[in-house]
Amino acid sequence: DIVLTQSPASLAVSLGQRATISCRASESVDSYGNSFMHWYQQKPGQPPKLLIYRASNLESGIPARFSGSGSRTDFTLTINPVEADDVATYYCQQSNEDPYTFGGGTKLEIK
Amino acid sequence: DVQLQESGPGLVKPSQSLSLTCTVTGYSITSDYAWNWIRQFPGNKLEWMGYISYSGSTSYNPSLKSRISITRDTSKNQFFLQLNSVTTEDTATYYCARQPLRLRYFDVWGAGTTVTVSS
Repeated sequence: DIVLTQSPASLAVSLGQRATISCRASESVDSYGNSFMHWYQQKPGQPPKLLIYRASNLESGIPARFSGSGSRTDFTLTINPVEADDVATYYCQQSNEDPYTFGGGTKLEIK
Repeated sequence: DVQLQESGPGLVKPSQSLSLTCTVTGYSITSDYAWNWIRQFPGNKLEWMGYISYSGSTSYNPSLKSRISITRDTSKNQFFLQLNSVTTEDTATYYCARQPLRLRYFDVWGAGTTVTVSS
């Protein structure tokens, strides 16, 4: 299975500043010119919500403050500027190989 | 808008089978997409369990392959999860989710249902 390692496990960012979350895969998640890495936001008591698909594509309805980058084994989710509503846990997920796997999550708090 | 809703028992005894239903409204489960089950353990680890596609084909996580079955009732626009021989390790919140088959991310999720395995 492809193991996804997120860092940091938690971070505290001031309102209006940038938050950067990393996801490293144990092997490449690229195929056919696409990176099969996706990002989700989960708030307490809610299901995960898709933010970014295929590394850098913003899901419809998601604010442009969220962006994704990366390829092969190293990916980044950036939130800039951070707003109070962004307090949540963020997960990466790969779908290049079965079984699909998720990262362990990064909890974002406001400083 | 497409909506997914999980239902089923909240408590299952060890060694028994866990059975859940996902009811889909606003979209036919036979019209493209794959329809997934994903669970989240206490402590928040997420695990993809498997899917049934619009055509009826299935794919399962190998870690569950001997215990899992995903089926559907197209007349009711529902799909189902059966997990056999459960243990306390299967205690989790279970989600159903839609997946564009080739793009392989989860774009619509149900609210989730919590299942506790306990005697």
